[in-house]
Amino acid sequence: QVQLQESGPGLVKPPGTLSLTCVVSGGSINSNDWWTWVRQPPGKSLEWIGEFYRGGSTHYNPSLESRVTISVDESNNQVLLRLTSVTAADTAVYFCARANIQLVYALDTWGQGILVTVSS
Amino acid sequence: DIQMTQSPSSLSASVGDTVTITCRASQSISNYLHWYQQRPGKAPKLLIYIASTLQTGVPSRFSGRKSGSEFTLTIASVQPEDFVAYYCLQTYSAPYSFGQGTRLEIK
Repeated sequence: QVQLQESGPGLVKPPGTLSLTCVVSGGSINSNDWWTWVRQPPGKSLEWIGEFYRGGSTHYNPSLESRVTISVDESNNQVLLRLTSVTAADTAVYFCARANIQLVYALDTWGQGILVTVSS
Repeated sequence: DIQMTQSPSSLSASVGDTVTITCRASQSISNYLHWYQQRPGKAPKLLIYIASTLQTGVPSRFSGRKSGSEFTLTIASVQPEDFVAYYCLQTYSAPYSFGQGTRLEIK
């Protein structure tokens, strides 16, 4: 059974770079699924950030596209998120999730989430 | 980009009631619509995928339906543990998008 675990700094200074890692266990990041990042500002709804598919295909939310990169580290079975030029508006809980091709890309497996605060 | 309009934003009910939450898409999304439950401080949990298919392990009091361009999540005989937040998600076309959420509250 696939499990996901996010990690990274809980505090980032503006206008720095937010970098998070999602370790995938119980499965391979080279599967037919898409690996996704979602965030949730405190007290607000969920926001889809983007996704990565084996071989390097990506899709990003246009609202973040100029600042975001999603990639993988195959040797460590990890999915990486990088968000540059952060501001307080990027403060959120960040989740990694699997978009399961067998469920028409429903996000069926999630990490527990990591709170990232952007503050000087 | 596809916009998802979810209503209501909050809903009051009593244990045992039947409640319905609705999502509408700004354009056709076929049946690529999924429902999630989120408890405070936790990750969302998939309840229903492809509009009406119950995820494994989810109680049968949860059901989903598509009627025209409207998608509904119904909870029959609401239980105390159901008073949390619910979201819809479309995966028809990237960028994927969530509804604004519905908070189910105890009356």
